[in-house]
Amino acid sequence: DTEVTQTPKHLVMGMTNKKSLKCEQHMGHRAMYWYKQKAKKPPELMFVYSYEKLSINESVPSRFSPECPNSSLLNLHLHALQPEDSALYLCASSQAGNTEAFFGQGTRLTVV
Amino acid sequence: KQEVTQIPAALSVPEGENLVLNCSFTDSAIYNLQWFRQDPGKGLTSLLLIQSSQREQTSGRLNASLDKSSGRSTLYIAASQPGDSATYLCAVPQGGYSTLTFGKGTMLLVSP
Repeated sequence: DTEVTQTPKHLVMGMTNKKSLKCEQHMGHRAMYWYKQKAKKPPELMFVYSYEKLSINESVPSRFSPECPNSSLLNLHLHALQPEDSALYLCASSQAGNTEAFFGQGTRLTVV
Repeated sequence: KQEVTQIPAALSVPEGENLVLNCSFTDSAIYNLQWFRQDPGKGLTSLLLIQSSQREQTSGRLNASLDKSSGRSTLYIAASQPGDSATYLCAVPQGGYSTLTFGKGTMLLVSP
C-alpha cells in the first residue's frame, strides 16, 4: 500500500476561521512533508517532519501551524488566512532521506 | 541552489506517437530523480524513481533515463494514449531529506 490519504478534499474558509488539514500514511515512513501548489506552478515545500520532529520550516507564516501527533499522522492547522493562501495543499511521505516520495491527492483550499 | 528545468512546457501529439520529455538540473550531486504525473486539480502520482547509480528505469510504457554528469533526464512514453494526458513533473531531492525541487512541468495532451 503506497497510499497517502488527505482530508478534506475541498475546503472553503473565511479569513477569521480556524480549520485543519489532515494527512495519514501507513507505510511506516518516518518523514512527512507539506507542500503548497498554486495554479500552474510546481509544488513548493512548506514543512518537513522527520521522526515526528519539525526539521524544516521554509519561512512559512505563523498562520500555518503544522503538527505531527504520531508517525502516521500530519496535521496543518490554519488560522486567519488570506485569500492569497488559496491553493492545493499536498502532503507527502518518504521512508527516510533521499528515498521515493509519495503524495496524497491534496486539499483544495479556498479562502474567502 | 538546485534548479530544475523541463522542456517543452507543453506538448500536443496524436494518439500512438512515441514521445520524449526532457528534464535538466544544475547540480549533478543528486541521489536520485523522480518523475511524477499530475492530473488537473489532483495530487502527484509517482511514476518512476531513478537512482543516481542507474542509467535507466522502466515501468510499462514508460522509460526514464538519467545522465548525472550532464545534468539531464528524459522520460520516454511509448505508444501514447489519451489517458496519458496530464502534467509531468520531474524532481530531485536535496538537503538530506526527500525535500524535492520540482521543474515547472510538461503539460501533455494526447488526442484520439
